[in-house]
Amino acid sequence: QVQLVESGGGVVQPGRSLRLSCAASGFPFITYAMHWVRQAPGKGLEWVATISFDGSKNLYADSVKGRFSISRDISKNTLYLQMNSLRNGDTAVYYCARPKNSGSDMWNYGMDVWGQGTTVTVSS
Amino acid sequence: SYELTQPPSVAVSPGQTASITCSGDKLGDKYACWYQQKPGQSPVLVIYRDSRRPSGIPERFSGSNSGTTVTLTISGTQVMDEADYYCQAWDSSTYVVFGGGTKLTVL
Repeated sequence: QVQLVESGGGVVQPGRSLRLSCAASGFPFITYAMHWVRQAPGKGLEWVATISFDGSKNLYADSVKGRFSISRDISKNTLYLQMNSLRNGDTAVYYCARPKNSGSDMWNYGMDVWGQGTTVTVSS
Repeated sequence: SYELTQPPSVAVSPGQTASITCSGDKLGDKYACWYQQKPGQSPVLVIYRDSRRPSGIPERFSGSNSGTTVTLTISGTQVMDEADYYCQAWDSSTYVVFGGGTKLTVL
């Protein structure tokens, strides 16, 4: 079945780095753009980053631009989020999510597949 | 940056109709979608492109877009519909934008 499984979360000190992974299965990973979305404790959803289907275009929220990097490995059907210079405000559950549509208008179709999330805690 | 505004909470009695609004500048020119999130669970897409339901979503969920406001309507609300609901749209400068979320209480 269609599935996304995140891993790599943990407790990290401010200023340090962490890399999250998202293993995709059950669908043609190579044809879909992919998103990272996070949710701070008790707060709402916040979009973090998007990568195009071929990895040629990356988009970032202003809050993480210059610190986070999204990438993908087609051979491993895996999405990554490299998080550098972590701050207390980056503490959240991080979800990877797939757009409902794989076409150029995917932005209008929402995200229909979500992983279970991985928790990142930034604390000294 | 683009923003979407939702009421923090909405309450409804079982069997009644719940309406959750989401407003934003020129939102009528964009497509919106809605997610349901229950405690401890990942979000679930319940409406996309303003009014379309993904397969498996009950017919009691519907959506509309009018001017600067989009609305999620749950007809014959059930206790199982109690959850947080988030609207989301795409903006050319801010890209993916979520509303702040609305806690739906069914009592």
